[in-house]
Amino acid sequence: EVQLVESGGGLVQPGGSLRLSCAASGFTFSTYWMAWVRQAPGKGLEWVANIKYDVSDKNYVDSVKGRFIISRDNADNSLYLQMNSLRAEDTAVYYCARDSGGALDNWGQGTLLTVFS
Amino acid sequence: QAVLTQPSSLSASPGASASLTCTLRSGLNVGTYGIFWYQQKPGSPPQYLLSYKSDSDKQQGSGVPSRFSGSKDASANAGILLISGLQSEDEADYYCMIWHSSAWVFGGGTKLTVL
Repeated sequence: EVQLVESGGGLVQPGGSLRLSCAASGFTFSTYWMAWVRQAPGKGLEWVANIKYDVSDKNYVDSVKGRFIISRDNADNSLYLQMNSLRAEDTAVYYCARDSGGALDNWGQGTLLTVFS
Repeated sequence: QAVLTQPSSLSASPGASASLTCTLRSGLNVGTYGIFWYQQKPGSPPQYLLSYKSDSDKQQGSGVPSRFSGSKDASANAGILLISGLQSEDEADYYCMIWHSSAWVFGGGTKLTVL
């Protein structure tokens, strides 16, 4: 059974940093693209970033370029999102998702990031 | 103008069919995109339903009932999620998504009410 478990969310002040983690199990992690998707309270879904299985390609939504870094450790079956220069508008539930050629076919339960002053 | 536009809400009766639209921005041709659909119920992560590019290039999500299907309306430049035989458990938010300019882009979502 595919499992994705996010962690690392919390309360951060504007300008602060935080790293989210996603522990993957139940599939061959090193052969899949992975993605982060966020959802602000009461709002819709927003794709944040994705990373190729061999780390050779990464993509970001414009609003986080230069501030967020997606990475992975295939030996540890883990996905990460380093978030810097955080803003109030980054407040959201962050989901880790397996990207099967566009079908984000498995999702974690999400971790909440709140940026407050 | 948003890349993908979805009606904010839709209501339909149990047993009826619901057609949820996802309209692409002017200048984008729906025929060249695969459209991905997701369902999200309150308090839960989204669930992948299906993808549709053409009748020969489509995929159903694992365990997703066949009463969920995808299509396109080229004249409206839109992707369509058709849900037939509506059930109360289909009440949820539905999102479409495409790959555009090296990014996954979601529509704003449609809240489907079954009453």
